[in-house]
Amino acid sequence: QITLKESGPTLVKPTQTLTLTCTFSGFSLSTSGVGVGWIRQPPGKALEWLALIYWDDDKRYSPSLKSRLTITKDTSKNQVVLTMTNMDPVDTATYYCAHTASMVRGVPLSWGQGTLVTVSS
Amino acid sequence: IVMTQTPLSSPVTLGQPASISCRSSQSLVHSDGNTYLSWLQQRPGQPPRLLIYKISNRFSGVPDRFSGSGAGTDFTLKISRVEAEDVGVYYCTQATQFPLTFGQGTKLEIK
Repeated sequence: QITLKESGPTLVKPTQTLTLTCTFSGFSLSTSGVGVGWIRQPPGKALEWLALIYWDDDKRYSPSLKSRLTITKDTSKNQVVLTMTNMDPVDTATYYCAHTASMVRGVPLSWGQGTLVTVSS
Repeated sequence: IVMTQTPLSSPVTLGQPASISCRSSQSLVHSDGNTYLSWLQQRPGQPPRLLIYKISNRFSGVPDRFSGSGAGTDFTLKISRVEAEDVGVYYCTQATQFPLTFGQGTKLEIK
């Protein structure tokens, strides 16, 4: 059974850096074809894809946020970390991590429950 | 790639069929011959869940009342007989070209 769980601060101040951790089980990021992605959803709005990392350390980013995002993996800990710099109130959203695979080109297959991050001073 | 869904809201009667359309701003046929169009369901207060991938493939555990069809730039999600648990927002998403993009969502509600 695949499970994912997002963790990190629920409240950040404008200009601060957000660091989110996705801890997963049921699959390994050392397995060929496997990936983990991040997607966010502002309250009451649609989904926005952010980034993903594959088993071979191939990384993809949303062009509109690329300068602010970094995605890394720790295979031994079954974790993926997303950092987003220079946070702004418009970044207030529920942030999800998801298991994916190269055979579906990054489509989220299984999702975590999400973590709500509020950006406010 | 911009994904446009219609309708944005769909009131349906229990037991009746429902249909949601999704149009992409360019063809979703990848150079490998596949079309990476998927459908997600988000029930109230829940994370999204994958229903359909590559136009018409049901994901693990998805009831067969859900079906997907289409080609090129026009795609459809059909529910053969709506059940109460189908209430929520449905999103189409494309993965043919990075970045992945999502439609604006269609809210399915019971009349």
